[in-house]
Amino acid sequence: KAGVTQTPRYLIKTRGQQVTLSCSPISGHRSVSWYQQTPGQGLQFLFEYFSETQRNKGNFPGRFSGRQFSNSRSEMNVSTLELGDSALYLCASSLDTYGYTFGSGTRLTVV
Amino acid sequence: QKEVEQNSGPLSVPEGAIASLNCTYSDRGSQSFFWYRQYSGKSPELIMFIYSNGDKEDGRFTAQLNKASQYVSLLIRDSQPSDSATYLCAVIRDNQGGKLIFGQGTELSVKP
Repeated sequence: KAGVTQTPRYLIKTRGQQVTLSCSPISGHRSVSWYQQTPGQGLQFLFEYFSETQRNKGNFPGRFSGRQFSNSRSEMNVSTLELGDSALYLCASSLDTYGYTFGSGTRLTVV
Repeated sequence: QKEVEQNSGPLSVPEGAIASLNCTYSDRGSQSFFWYRQYSGKSPELIMFIYSNGDKEDGRFTAQLNKASQYVSLLIRDSQPSDSATYLCAVIRDNQGGKLIFGQGTELSVKP
């Protein structure tokens, strides 16, 4: 059974640019959530989508947005990139509330 | 006060010993509790979840939950060098399924 797939694995962007990250959940999983991981702040929740609807949102600025498609695949977008957005972005998918499986992540570097 | 707190470590134990990892949480509305293991450069991997008071065992791992004390722990028996990783505690609040709130993680080192 395929796991959670995130693309791309690595990205280098310049300040002010925008970026889109993709996440394909495990087949049958309808919940997809996104997290940012940095050495200083640890793992922080960005948002969660369930059946194409944003169900929960973390405390991040509006530059961070996401969406989910009818096939449960999800994308997150960060506009007007800042140096502080450099991080590992992880998505996790779940069938229910008891098992959240993470993808390998996208390492974003903003220069 | 952070919502989920863990000792950052590093926690060092000899091979074959029991490693005890602790986590406290501040929101009494928390309903589900998770332990993840994260190797350096890798993504978190779910080890166990628990949602009822008491103990839950899975192989060498035992999760313990005490909602009255707002405390959850993970015991690793017969620790192996391959258990060396960062262990992350996470909780989900009532009615906020899908939103895992993580502690900072405890780094565990198992010495041969």
